[in-house]
Amino acid sequence: DTGVSQDPRHKITKRGQNVTFRCDPISEHNRLYWYRQTLGQGPEFLTYFQNEAQLEKSRLLSDRFSAERPKGSFSTLEIQRTEQGDSAMYLCASSVQTGYEQYFGPGTRLTVT
Amino acid sequence: LAKTTQPISMDSYEGQEVNITCSHNNIATNDYITWYQQFPSQGPRFIIQGYKTKVTNEVASLFIPADRKSSTLSLPRVSLSDTAVYYCLVGDVGGGADGLTFGKGTHLIIQP
Repeated sequence: DTGVSQDPRHKITKRGQNVTFRCDPISEHNRLYWYRQTLGQGPEFLTYFQNEAQLEKSRLLSDRFSAERPKGSFSTLEIQRTEQGDSAMYLCASSVQTGYEQYFGPGTRLTVT
Repeated sequence: LAKTTQPISMDSYEGQEVNITCSHNNIATNDYITWYQQFPSQGPRFIIQGYKTKVTNEVASLFIPADRKSSTLSLPRVSLSDTAVYYCLVGDVGGGADGLTFGKGTHLIIQP
């Protein structure tokens, strides 16, 4: 199966620690997206990449969040100095272009204690 | 101002046709309408996308009136496994993150 994969699937961390998540998109997809989803809410856009270039970031994205996509392949999302409010499901998706069908990964569930 | 408005929840029964309507009064000329389905603890899954009139695929139909201010996702002969949250998105294909707003979606519950 060559769908979108995310690692880890679950992460429990203590408040104040840094965490990093990885996303491997479908290989021929140029665009890669990160979303955050909390219980009862739809996915909330965080940022997206066109190849290795980060094109947009949500203005809601704290400066504790940073994302990279070196060489336009996999991407990492880092959260520094985690807070309990960061507890959520972090979803990655990829597509040929924005607005076209997005393929989502299974998500990484983060719990900050 | 929300780009789309959907009912929070809907109920139906197995074997029925279900229609979920999404309002998007401020849709722009270049905007497409896209629907996703999401099961608990999974990422959303693309269902269908359209620009105007009617689009049909193997799982659903999408009806878009001439003014494009709303759209209706139609699921024929639903089963218990269609219980999920359905999201309507509106945005410019090839455009930026403006079309990546999911909202709260419609929680569809199918009963036996």
